[in-house]
Amino acid sequence: GESVGLHLPTLSVQEGDNSIINCAYSNSASDYFIWYKQESGKGPQFIIDIRSNMDKRQGQRVTVLLNKTVKHLSLQIAATQPGDSAVYFCAETSPFSGNTPLVFGKGTRLSVIA
Amino acid sequence: KAGVTQTPRYLIKTRGQQVTLSCSPISGHRSVSWYQQTPGQGLQFLFEYFSETQRNKGNFPGRFSGRQFSNSRSEMNVSTLELGDSALYLCASSAGLAGGEQYFGPGTRLTVT
Repeated sequence: GESVGLHLPTLSVQEGDNSIINCAYSNSASDYFIWYKQESGKGPQFIIDIRSNMDKRQGQRVTVLLNKTVKHLSLQIAATQPGDSAVYFCAETSPFSGNTPLVFGKGTRLSVIA
Repeated sequence: KAGVTQTPRYLIKTRGQQVTLSCSPISGHRSVSWYQQTPGQGLQFLFEYFSETQRNKGNFPGRFSGRQFSNSRSEMNVSTLELGDSALYLCASSAGLAGGEQYFGPGTRLTVT
């Protein structure tokens, strides 16, 4: 499959453990944030989103935390599974202000050790 | 509901040639965005179309252009290809006028030799 990024930071976790992936975003005006998962040979896949009027949102096995004070996002994956191995990107945008393009972070490679 | 489809999936071109990539959004989605993904620069926004009009444009040279048809399908064109244009080109579609949640296709891997 394609190499998404040759020098991405890598997080290695044991199967069953929880994973925390961090992201610093750049624009304090951004009001909508998304986490994407990208597996080799595929396009980014939506995981979870959060609006700036929230500081936490939970999905199935995933939780996103938003700290607007320090412009920081995190993605928590509970009970990490081998299928979670992928590159994870955070993205910021401000669609409610009419600025729709996604601005992506550099990505973090998650490697799950069975 | 079918996802975003992109054709072709792989393409090899030589410097100086031009290329056209195609994207079919999710049925009912009117917004299509294009992104370039490279190992060095990551994912970068190229342009976005909504109802056949370019709504936003990223910081790419004029060799990169696009269009959208009345059925929301979109094409992007790169003229006078350079080696640095080798990348994965991703298309994303969204439903709303305000963008928001975008769904990506599998991408077209372009190699320029």
